[in-house]
Amino acid sequence: EAGVVQSPRYKIIEKKQPVAFWCNPISGHNTLYWYLQNLGQGPELLIRYENEEAVDDSQLPKDRFSAERLKGVDSTLKIQPAELGDSAVYLCASSFDQGNSYNEQFFGPGTRLTVL
Amino acid sequence: GENVEQHPSTLSVQEGDSAVIKCTYSDSASNYFPWYKQELGKGPQLIIDIRSNVGEKKDQRIAVTLNKTAKHFSLHITETQPEDSAVYFCAAPLMNRDDKIIFGKGTRLHILP
Repeated sequence: EAGVVQSPRYKIIEKKQPVAFWCNPISGHNTLYWYLQNLGQGPELLIRYENEEAVDDSQLPKDRFSAERLKGVDSTLKIQPAELGDSAVYLCASSFDQGNSYNEQFFGPGTRLTVL
Repeated sequence: GENVEQHPSTLSVQEGDSAVIKCTYSDSASNYFPWYKQELGKGPQLIIDIRSNVGEKKDQRIAVTLNKTAKHFSLHITETQPEDSAVYFCAAPLMNRDDKIIFGKGTRLHILP
């Protein structure tokens, strides 16, 4: 079974440029997460989708970040414009939500973003 | 909100010895405690989890213990091997935000030959 796929794996851009990340979750997983991981830190949730609905985006900086999961499968995360402080690893994860318990989250390899 | 403290930040143990990583949490209602392992260039992977209705869970060389009164839980790795070298994260949920897991800052484990 294929795991969570993310692309690109690495991205280098200059500040003020836009950037987009793509994630394809494990087939059948209805919940998708985007996390930010700074160097030496644990993942921090940016946004969580249940199917195509964003159910928790409280930590997403909405002035520059946006995300979508139009058909409830794959998802894109966009930053426009990027700032130096956005340099980090962006992780995507998915899980099969059974409705009444915590479920294992399966992580992709992440996209390492460097903003110059 | 939930606060998850993890220590030590770095741990070096001789191959074959045991390693222990500890975490504390602040929300007494938390009831699910996963541990994730992250190898270089990869995303975190769940290695073991425990729910609040048990005090200990074991899976081969890995075990997790939970002390709800003290609000802390620990990861124990016995007979460590080179492939155990990685960063380990504990986590706990925000109870008013189902499935929002708060991660600790991680422990970098080095297995010395």
